[in-house]
Amino acid sequence: GENVEQHPSTLSVQEGDSAVIKCTYSDSASNYFPWYKQELGKRPQLIIDIRSNVGEKKDQRIAVTLNKTAKHFSLHITETQPEDSAVYFCAEGDNYGQNFVFGPGTRLSVLP
Amino acid sequence: DAGITQSPRHKVTETGTPVTLRCHQTENHRYMYWYRQDPGHGLRLIHYSYGVKDTDKGEVSDGYSVSRSKTEDFLLTLESATSSQTSVYFCAISEAERAGEQFFGPGTRLTVL
Repeated sequence: GENVEQHPSTLSVQEGDSAVIKCTYSDSASNYFPWYKQELGKRPQLIIDIRSNVGEKKDQRIAVTLNKTAKHFSLHITETQPEDSAVYFCAEGDNYGQNFVFGPGTRLSVLP
Repeated sequence: DAGITQSPRHKVTETGTPVTLRCHQTENHRYMYWYRQDPGHGLRLIHYSYGVKDTDKGEVSDGYSVSRSKTEDFLLTLESATSSQTSVYFCAISEAERAGEQFFGPGTRLTVL
């Protein structure tokens, strides 16, 4: 099956610093790349996504960049806050909701 | 949160017994999904549905079956539960027009002894 790699698996940053999580994928047909945040004991929640016709998308302190040639996309969180502490999952798929594959997750800890 | 509920929220059962998990939505979304979540594996797709009575297998479908007899309900059945099926199960839904944007239910924690 298709594979999504995600790095790092754990990440600790000081409050106010930036955090970057990177994912690589193998399916060249993929055109939809979402990021989910999951707090402890909660459900995953969509925080930002990008489609293949765009190279970058920003929403306040969160941004996602996509490099289709290299088959990788990254999540950038600026000015991190303690409430950003969670597990973050990337995923790749198509516009039809099929062939959806998640990365293994990154545990982000923001230290006060 | 989107109108998605899962039942039961917690279940403990014994090896070899049948188990059915229910996902119910009030959003009238076309697509529904079942995932399992295990440490180190992220979320893995078990089965999904793209309409009433229309289902297909995902990455880890062995040992699971699904049914969707009406838009709002998607059932996941473990015909004979095994300890390797101990996991947290999440249901998700999405609209047909933007099927990639999935919204998750609260999850069901299943323990098979």
